Amino acid sequence: NAGVTQTPKFQVLKTGQSMTLQCAQDMNHNSMYWYRQDPGMGLRLIYYSASEGTTDKGEVPNGYNVSRLNKREFSLRLESAAPSQTSVYFCASTASHSTDTQYFGPGTRLTVL
Amino acid sequence: KNQVEQSPQSLIILEGKNCTLQCNYTVSPFSNLRWYKQDTGRGPVSLTIMTFSENTKSNGRYTATLDADTKQSSLHITASQLSDSASYICVVSAYNNNDMRFGAGTRLTVKP
Repeated sequence: NAGVTQTPKFQVLKTGQSMTLQCAQDMNHNSMYWYRQDPGMGLRLIYYSASEGTTDKGEVPNGYNVSRLNKREFSLRLESAAPSQTSVYFCASTASHSTDTQYFGPGTRLTVL
Repeated sequence: KNQVEQSPQSLIILEGKNCTLQCNYTVSPFSNLRWYKQDTGRGPVSLTIMTFSENTKSNGRYTATLDADTKQSSLHITASQLSDSASYICVVSAYNNNDMRFGAGTRLTVKP
């Protein structure tokens, strides 16, 4: 099992460009999450999907959109990137949205110039 | 103000020594508290998960404690190893809340 995979690992964008971060899990998990991690701050939830077909906003959803393509895949889209979106993005999954162990991907380091 | 505060921000210890990391939270009503280890450049990895009824949980050399009355948790690392060098993150979930609140982490460096 690969666990949670993310692509790309690194990305540099210019202000105003768009891109999609991809996430996939092979653990048959129901719930998936997107976080961003900035220096000196805890991870902050952008969006989550408690189950296939549902998505909900987290703490910092502005400037992002998500798609739960199927049970395995959960993508994060930046329609018009801004320098404030420079961050490390992590995808995570859990079997169900309760006290189950949360598994994280390796992260995508995004720089917006 | 962050609902999860961790201390110290950073810590340096010698290999073989013990250490204790602290986590105070205001998240309410409480559901569960998790400790994660995050190596540089990698995603967090779960160490322990504790619910309201649990006041201690161990995972090898890692022991987490929880005092739900004072809203405090600690992570004790015994006989530290160089590979313990990482950030340790405390995460608290509220009951019936789909959001988990992350602390900023404690950066631990273990020196030989």
